[in-house]
Amino acid sequence: SYELTQPPSVSVSPGQTARITCSGDALPKQLAYWYQQRPGQAPVLVIYKDNERPSGIPDRFSGSSSGTTVTLTISGVQAEDEADYFCQSSDAYGSYVIFGGGTKLTVL
Amino acid sequence: QVQLVQSGAELKKPGASVKVSCKASGYTFTNYPIHWVRLAPGQGLEWLGIIYSDDATTTYPQKFQGRVSMTRDTSTSTVYMELSSLRSEDTAVYYCARDPPFGYSRSSYYFDHWGQGTRVTVSS
Repeated sequence: SYELTQPPSVSVSPGQTARITCSGDALPKQLAYWYQQRPGQAPVLVIYKDNERPSGIPDRFSGSSSGTTVTLTISGVQAEDEADYFCQSSDAYGSYVIFGGGTKLTVL
Repeated sequence: QVQLVQSGAELKKPGASVKVSCKASGYTFTNYPIHWVRLAPGQGLEWLGIIYSDDATTTYPQKFQGRVSMTRDTSTSTVYMELSSLRSEDTAVYYCARDPPFGYSRSSYYFDHWGQGTRVTVSS
């Protein structure tokens, strides 16, 4: 079955840049999305269609895509960015949703 | 503003069924499909399927076919998700989420608004 692979954890100091990757064979054909989930809260969309930012999301959040890997970049990380981040896409036929396993971002 | 308000927490015994509701407001209900996603303890997000709010068409992943059922009531702008034959592994927080169609497509298969989540605990 199709999978999206994320690193389990990423740690950065405040003000540094965090990069979270997500790899999958269908990513060259399908768009990717990123969600932030803080403990006890519902997920929030932070990046859609690989690199678009919804209104209300700070511009320190950005997305990029290259081949089978998409990357969420958070520039100038703040303490409030500490959360789990999930990438999401579809299978090669766009018939079902798949999530990455999630990456816990720790702000040191 | 767009709101998805879900029903309250549930405690169920193994083998039972659970039905969770998701009431939408702040937009034209029939224009947007609704998905269901769950987050189990120590696990990642998992997709349970989609229901198109206009004609009630559904798509479920193979893992849940035969065990999940999604319905909608246009008179109350509410979507329901029922999961049967519950087991301990179904213990999770269940979310409904809105799908913003783009262009002529009926769905985009991503989620721009989420409900607050419903905790379902399966325990004897």
